[in-house]
Amino acid sequence: GEDVEQSLFLSVREGDSSVINCTYTDSSSTYLYWYKQEPGAGLQLLTYIFSNMDMKQDQRLTVLLNKKDKHLSLRIADTQTGDSAIYFCAESNNQGGKLIFGQGTELSVKP
Amino acid sequence: EAQVTQNPRYLITVTGKKLTVTCSQNMNHEYMSWYRQDPGLGLRQIYYSMNVEVTDKGDVPEGYKVSRKEKRNFPLILESPSPNQTSLYFCASSLFARNEKLFFGSGTQLSVL
Repeated sequence: GEDVEQSLFLSVREGDSSVINCTYTDSSSTYLYWYKQEPGAGLQLLTYIFSNMDMKQDQRLTVLLNKKDKHLSLRIADTQTGDSAIYFCAESNNQGGKLIFGQGTELSVKP
Repeated sequence: EAQVTQNPRYLITVTGKKLTVTCSQNMNHEYMSWYRQDPGLGLRQIYYSMNVEVTDKGDVPEGYKVSRKEKRNFPLILESPSPNQTSLYFCASSLFARNEKLFFGSGTQLSVL
């Protein structure tokens, strides 16, 4: 079945760039998402990308999609302590309904 | 304020005692869904609903029931809870099923003893 994989932890220094990686298996994926979960809270949509795009930039966030390798990444420029959270990659296909999440990457930003 | 409201926030119960976790959204969304979050496993979809009276199984539906009698409400029912259903549960909704903007509730931490 469909699967989405992420590494579990990432630690960076304040001001550095963070890159969170994700791989997926469903070749019919149409939408790919990045969600952020702060402690004790639900998930918030950060950004998403359609499968016919290679890149999307939104302020400090850059999403890169390599459809051939089924690899998605989220780059956070000038990472701040407030960016410390768990980041989830997710994918869905055009049929809608099912949304598959990765395990989440816990980002720790050290001052 | 646009939001997805889940209740209760915390729940401790015993094996076999039926319980319901409520979920309500005030955004007139057609799509609603339930997830459980477990360490190292991320979020797994339990059930989802594309519209009123339309529900479908997600990846881990065993031991759960849902209903969608009204657009705004999507309760999650555990008829006979077991300890392996101890988890953090999230309800979410979006305008349509394509999930571009999925709004999440704050979560329900359930412990089954």
